[in-house]
Order: sequence, then C-alpha cells, then structure tokens
Amino acid sequence: NAGVTQTPKFQVLKTGQSMTLQCAQDMNHNSMYWYRQDPGMGLRLIYYSASEGTTDKGEVPNGYNVSRLNKREFSLRLESAAPSQTSVYFCASSAITEGYGYTFGSGTRLTVV
Amino acid sequence: ELKVEQNPLFLSMQEGKNYTIYCNYSTTSDRLYWYRQDPGKSLESLFVLLSNGAVKQEGRLMASLDTKARLSTLHITAAVHDLSATYFCAVISGGSNYKLTFGKGTLLTVNP
Repeated sequence: NAGVTQTPKFQVLKTGQSMTLQCAQDMNHNSMYWYRQDPGMGLRLIYYSASEGTTDKGEVPNGYNVSRLNKREFSLRLESAAPSQTSVYFCASSAITEGYGYTFGSGTRLTVV
Repeated sequence: ELKVEQNPLFLSMQEGKNYTIYCNYSTTSDRLYWYRQDPGKSLESLFVLLSNGAVKQEGRLMASLDTKARLSTLHITAAVHDLSATYFCAVISGGSNYKLTFGKGTLLTVNP
C-alpha cells in the first residue's frame, strides 16, 4: 500500500545511547518532515526537507540530526538520547503544491530511561 | 512566528448534541487542514481548506475557513460516540517551505 513507512514502531533507549529512526515514502513527494508529539503540546516540527538534497531546522531541532538519503527516505538520528526526548515521533511527506496536506507515518514511540 | 490556537482543548459532549471547535491563527495563510487522531494512532486527514469562504462537509463534520478573520471552525452535528478522538487544525506557514504548524488539539469525548 502507498504511504509513509516508519521503523521501528517502539524503542527503549538508555540515556546517552544513539539511534536512527527510519522513514520512507512511495508517493513521489518532494517534501518530508519529522515531528514529535508530546501530551498537551500538539505536534512540533523537528526538521524538514523541502526537496531532495536540502534539510532545514524546525521548531525543536536541538539534539537531533537528519539525513535526506534520496527522494524516498528521510532519517532522524538521536546522537545521545536524553529523557526529554521521550516522545512519539511522526514522519510525514507532502505534495503541498498540489493543495494536499501531509501523509503521516504510523509513528515511533520512543522512551529514554 | 505563526501561532495556531484551538479551543476548547477538551470537549465532553452528549450524543446527539451539536458543538463547534475553533481554530485561530496569527499570520496570513490561505491553507488550513483538519486532522483526526485516535488514541495510539497516527493522524488522519479530514479536510483541506484552500481559500477564503471554503466549506467542506463529511458526515457529521463540517469545516469552514475565514482567512480575513484568520479563523476556521469544525462543526459537529448530532455527535455520536465514534467521533470521540483528538482533532487538530494545522496551518501552512507560507513562503516556499510549506511547513505545517499545528494547534495543540481538541480532545473530544462523546458520551452516550
């Protein structure tokens, strides 16, 4: 099925460990995004990639890095996880220029202990 | 900086009643989106509103956009339990980067 695929779905990390969240879309969208969702905060943009080869910081980029590997894939890396990074992470892609919104992945629930 | 405010943040209503969720935003934008999220699930697109005066309806939900007032509403008619979810509005930031800024969400609970 067409859409946005995120892996893993669940992860528990110890403080200081690193990990990469993977995201891939098969809709030929140019733009891809990483959001985090925390209770009572809505979704906040971490990083985005407006097109292949470009990445930019969003509202809450500290502690994260991203890579736009190709048009399909956009990964999010936590170099040294902290408890404050416990959250649900959503990847999304969009064809905004066609008047549509985002398509979201199923999310990654990350706990840092 | 674009700010998006939803109210109420929590809404408990009885089946069969009507209610409206409001979404205000702080800077000019002509694209507004409504999403639904069930507990533990991802976000599902409900409506895309692309111009002033746009109105979209799907079942018991109707969304409208007034770009001059920077206001969108999501009206619920004769609520049913299946509508219980969190509803988010989101607004395009403008420029060429097409970033969506989300409101904090409205947790809707429909009681029998």
